[in-house]
Amino acid sequence: DADVTQTPRNRITKTGKRIMLECSQTKGHDRMYWYRQDPGLGLRLIYYSFDVKDINKGEISDGYSVSRQAQAKFSLSLESAIPNQTALYFCATSDYMTSGSRNTQYFGPGTRLTVL
Amino acid sequence: TQLLEQSPQFLSIQEGENLTVYCNSSSVFSSLQWYRQEPGEGPVLLVTVVTGGEVKKLKRLTFQFGDARKDSSLHITAAQPGDTGLYLCAGGVRGSTLGRLYFGRGTQLTVWP
Repeated sequence: DADVTQTPRNRITKTGKRIMLECSQTKGHDRMYWYRQDPGLGLRLIYYSFDVKDINKGEISDGYSVSRQAQAKFSLSLESAIPNQTALYFCATSDYMTSGSRNTQYFGPGTRLTVL
Repeated sequence: TQLLEQSPQFLSIQEGENLTVYCNSSSVFSSLQWYRQEPGEGPVLLVTVVTGGEVKKLKRLTFQFGDARKDSSLHITAAQPGDTGLYLCAGGVRGSTLGRLYFGRGTQLTVWP
């Protein structure tokens, strides 16, 4: 079984609809992240969470919200979807090590969201 | 503003050729990682470098971290079609929020048989 799972894998919705993307992990990591990927723009951070009570905005948080329901679950919501939120969305977890400043991130398979 | 600049953005080569991908910044990094992403999947870590001047090799892939820890390169020798994918560099910056990574825009590599 995959360590980081995302549901749904694909979603088509209409402008103005509320959408929730879900992420679950079995790696036991405290840190979880939501990224958005657009062609030619790489990965851009939307929100990140270092533990259940800690939520932080990333570089492109406008129009998005998140909920950390448990250590293993981190969901991303689009309150009122718009077409320019059409993108590939990735959830990731990390095993940040305080020594050596390393931060390996483990990604889910992605959710392809289309907003019409 | 992109903290990490990757070049080239696209690379299309024949099997057996060598190639180098660059990742540059004006910022100093505490660590630099390279990920590879295949269609329909999330990025997967290839390597982490943490020491200025460090060189790591994974079979035909050679990764180098610049002496000043502001840049990195990925060199592939005798590329194969199986090397096709999106290569992403990502850096952890000293003084930034611990655990955050800043990603480059990626290099899409296509290796033709």
